[in-house]
Amino acid sequence: SAVISQKPSRDICQRGTSLTIQCQVDSQVTMMFWYRQQPGQSLTLIATANQGSEATYESGFVIDKFPISRPNLTFSTLTVSNMSPEDSSIYLCSAVTGGSNQPQHFGDGTRLSIL
Amino acid sequence: GEDVEQSLFLSVREGDSSVINCTYTDSSSTYLYWYKQEPGAGLQLLTYIFSNMDMKQDQRLTVLLNKKDKHLSLRIADTQTGDSAIYFCAERDDKIIFGKGTRLHILP
Repeated sequence: SAVISQKPSRDICQRGTSLTIQCQVDSQVTMMFWYRQQPGQSLTLIATANQGSEATYESGFVIDKFPISRPNLTFSTLTVSNMSPEDSSIYLCSAVTGGSNQPQHFGDGTRLSIL
Repeated sequence: GEDVEQSLFLSVREGDSSVINCTYTDSSSTYLYWYKQEPGAGLQLLTYIFSNMDMKQDQRLTVLLNKKDKHLSLRIADTQTGDSAIYFCAERDDKIIFGKGTRLHILP
């Protein structure tokens, strides 16, 4: 299965600042996604990262708050902008590698705390 | 809309079998997944089943799918302390929808 690496693994940030999370996959990727997992909750899809074009955002998530880049097939970034304590969550990168009929794998996540 | 439901907690004695149940609503789901999340870790794909299958077995894990009732279960045989985690059921058509997770607690 694919190895999905996220950086940083955790961070503590000040209110009003922004943080960019990187995601690198070690094999051919057909689809990449970003999820949020708030404390004690399940996973919520933020957006699908599209290679070479704007990400596709889910209801409740906007590009100004969560800009996403995907400059090539195996790398993506998620920025959490103008952070507030409500943004304290785990942010997870996910990918489908190989064909679209392959399962979806996850990175270990970035644990973000906003003071 | 699409929804995935699972019970929030399950306690099982070490050595017994654990059965975690899940129901879903999207009849067009093509894949159904079980993920494991240990404390402080990301999601580990445990196993998955295609919607045209009834059962899949992988060592101590058995997945049963009742497509008519939209019911999925995960059986863990000979439950061990290392199985203590949160187990997420998920369905996928064009995107994955997760349940809220079942926290499995192992009793000595």
